Amino acid sequence: GQNIDQPTEMTATEGAIVQINCTYQTSGFNGLFWYQQHAGEAPTFLSYNVLDGLEEKGRFSSFLSRSKGYSYLLLKELQMKDSASYLCAVMDSNYQLIWGAGTKLIIKP
Amino acid sequence: DGGITQSPKYLFRKEGQNVTLSCEQNLNHDAMYWYRQDPGQGLRLIYYSQIVNDFQKGDIAEGYSVSREKKESFPLTVTSAQKNPTAFYLCASTAGEPYEQYFGPGTRLTVT
Repeated sequence: GQNIDQPTEMTATEGAIVQINCTYQTSGFNGLFWYQQHAGEAPTFLSYNVLDGLEEKGRFSSFLSRSKGYSYLLLKELQMKDSASYLCAVMDSNYQLIWGAGTKLIIKP
Repeated sequence: DGGITQSPKYLFRKEGQNVTLSCEQNLNHDAMYWYRQDPGQGLRLIYYSQIVNDFQKGDIAEGYSVSREKKESFPLTVTSAQKNPTAFYLCASTAGEPYEQYFGPGTRLTVT
């Protein structure tokens, strides 16, 4: 079966750095996406990785290791507005997205 | 401004009634998707359409129906056969590579 695993909840302090991990087992691989979702709202796109390595975009970075079936999202200089759920999704061989359950990130002052 | 609209944001229905959720996009995207989101779970695919007049079942299509008569529109009907319809419903679209999906604001359906 296809499976995406990420922690259910994480807590971090404003101004700090947090790393949210995602491991996956899917039928084929055509890229990995990270989305941010505030409570009651739609997901918004953060990053896309299809090759191994680190992609940096401002305060957010995303890393991919295809051989390990592993990705992480790194958030730096945390702000209160970063409190949200972070969804990991993998595009399988049929170009369908398989979604993780999401990691709820709580930022404390 | 280009985007995806879903209406209404909140919808209440009695058990046994069919209800149709609207999804309209002006992004000129070919592919459109319907997802269901329940607390503590990932998004689950209900139906998707890659071209007008064609659509495919996703993982949880039972109790749902769709149509794609126009490129811009992809309405979802939740039928009385859907055993547990209360959920947050999200519509999305994509243009192609890298297949980033754009989401509408969602409709929260409550059936009592």
